Amino acid sequence: GQNIDQPTEMTATEGAIVQINCTYQTSGFNGLFWYQQHAGEAPTFLSYNVLDGLEEKGRFSSFLSRSKGYSYLLLKELQMKDSASYLCAVRELTGGGNKLTFGTGTQLKVEL
Amino acid sequence: KAGVTQTPRYLIKTRGQQVTLSCSPISGHRSVSWYQQTPGQGLQFLFEYFSETQRNKGNFPGRFSGRQFSNSRSEMNVSTLELGDSALYLCASSLGPLNLEWESNTGELFFGEGSRLTVL
Repeated sequence: GQNIDQPTEMTATEGAIVQINCTYQTSGFNGLFWYQQHAGEAPTFLSYNVLDGLEEKGRFSSFLSRSKGYSYLLLKELQMKDSASYLCAVRELTGGGNKLTFGTGTQLKVEL
Repeated sequence: KAGVTQTPRYLIKTRGQQVTLSCSPISGHRSVSWYQQTPGQGLQFLFEYFSETQRNKGNFPGRFSGRQFSNSRSEMNVSTLELGDSALYLCASSLGPLNLEWESNTGELFFGEGSRLTVL
């Protein structure tokens, strides 16, 4: 089984940088995803890490340390539209299946 | 390219009834997964289908079932509805299992808008 922990809520200021942490425990790690979900909308894909290190994509970056069971999502130059829930999800080795286990999400509020 | 389409978007049922939800994946995607989302529990995995076969199953009672058709469209059914089944049911499609050699197949899930079920 898996256990995924991320903070419930975070607040940050427009233009600032925020880091959302995620820790996980799994018996067979096979990739970590970050999704963004605005209220009343579907989750949308932000990033994917399967090897240790940093993946950068515009204002968003994601880091993974497999030995520590740790990832973070870094959002730079925050905008009001970044107010959303950010979901950390881990894929476990399941014989080729594609089952993701999600954390409960971090609700980010961006203020002026 | 059309996204993942789920129907119906909203529905209200009473306890004891049954419900069927439908999902059409992105064209070319052969894997469909279903998740239940509630405020307290977040996204909980229900099941995953590929080539009309269930590949993975979550920890839900047997009242929750699903199937996939030859055109990759999927349905899920919940029988004998309970108040606690009120939730947003999300369908997600992906190319397919990772052991198939598709270029750039990270297994990224593409979600539909969901079907919001209220059980009274």
